[in-house]
Amino acid sequence: GAGVSQSPSNKVTEKGKDVELRCDPISGHTALYWYRQSLGQGLEFLIYFQGNSAPDKSGLPSDRFSAERTGGSVSTLTIQRTQQEDSAVYLCASSGRDRGYSPLHFGNGTRLTVT
Amino acid sequence: AQSVTQLGSHVSVSEGALVLLRCNYSSSVPPYLFWYVQYPNQGLQLLLKYTTGATLVKGINGFEAEFKKSETSFHLTKPSAHMSDAAEYFCAVRDQAGTALIFGKGTTLSVSS
Repeated sequence: GAGVSQSPSNKVTEKGKDVELRCDPISGHTALYWYRQSLGQGLEFLIYFQGNSAPDKSGLPSDRFSAERTGGSVSTLTIQRTQQEDSAVYLCASSGRDRGYSPLHFGNGTRLTVT
Repeated sequence: AQSVTQLGSHVSVSEGALVLLRCNYSSSVPPYLFWYVQYPNQGLQLLLKYTTGATLVKGINGFEAEFKKSETSFHLTKPSAHMSDAAEYFCAVRDQAGTALIFGKGTTLSVSS
């Protein structure tokens, strides 16, 4: 079936604006992750959803960042009052029944540029 | 909390030479360990993983990694580099099911002819 889908693929926004990034995981996958990838920083963990459990938000860098997952499927990452340092590629990943060693399936990311 | 350190942000080898990418982890319990690869302009894909059992694990494209608990390491190797191996490689660790997968900062591998 289809892989992890992210939209938009590119987003340019002005400093101070809010943005929403969308992730459609693989159907049936219960775990969903958001990561931020920027030069020299690798993949920075942001947030992790697992089934109906409370999400692990420990990686969110500030209260301007939030995410939700509706109906256990689609997820939206929202960045309020964007800053230039928010410019990065935002990656979403999902995995099947979470056994700890389940591999992640990544989307192609949303490249966010804040001007 | 678990963490990962990848030694060397950039490694350069000649075609046919040994590839060695280093990864050390920190975990309070026996971890699950992974290597992912990102080829230019492509998404991340799983190279290999360690769960339990045999400490030497084999992955795709001739790569393998050895889990050494005493050294808290999970270094990635390939006996003979190919030009197509040029990519960014990420080591990742996870304590157990239900926790986040934490990645290192990545190592860019360059292969010259």
